[in-house]
Amino acid sequence: GESVGLHLPTLSVQEGDNSIINCAYSNSASDYFIWYKQESGKGPQFIIDIRSNMDKRQGQRVTVLLNKTVKHLSLQIAATQPGDSAVYFCAENLRSSGGGADGLTFGKGTHLIIQP
Amino acid sequence: NAGVTQTPKFRILKIGQSMTLQCTQDMNHNYMYWYRQDPGMGLKLIYYSVGAGITDKGEVPNGYNVSRSTTEDFPLRLELAAPSQTSVYFCASSYRGSEAFFGQGTRLTVV
Repeated sequence: GESVGLHLPTLSVQEGDNSIINCAYSNSASDYFIWYKQESGKGPQFIIDIRSNMDKRQGQRVTVLLNKTVKHLSLQIAATQPGDSAVYFCAENLRSSGGGADGLTFGKGTHLIIQP
Repeated sequence: NAGVTQTPKFRILKIGQSMTLQCTQDMNHNYMYWYRQDPGMGLKLIYYSVGAGITDKGEVPNGYNVSRSTTEDFPLRLELAAPSQTSVYFCASSYRGSEAFFGQGTRLTVV
């Protein structure tokens, strides 16, 4: 089964409001997490990442929070704009002891809809 | 830099046909990946490579093969196309397995 998943398939917010997209992961050994944005017909685009030795990281208009106790990750988007409309995926990376790639494990995604 | 480039963008195959999805990156990344994305789903890892000459299976490798003869190129081969392989395929690359950069995808339909 999926080791990374999202609580809601669709999130509708008013333009200008803040958006919070949640993600639960099940592998406590995961040590690197990324949020991706995917617009229709395009590949995933990196938004922000966080390592397991942190609990918060901020970017431009975005903040990622990591709660390792309950294995929960969230993406906060401030002042949501029409251009934020997309599917958002969280992904985790379990690094091998040799620091290998192994690839990212993705959740199903949350479709963020912006209401005018 | 072009980043990660995939060709073709679209392809329709008949059952049993074969094809190669091309992927090239110009960022000198050692790590490269192939994912597939089914409708309404996240991405699933097919194969990955940590460097030229090295490849390894991901979560869903059956029905696919890869090769990595150069740092830049990581082609994905479908030998006997099946309807279950209808999907959108994404190639990605990264530096040391961290943030991955994705191509625009190849939409494959097997009929």
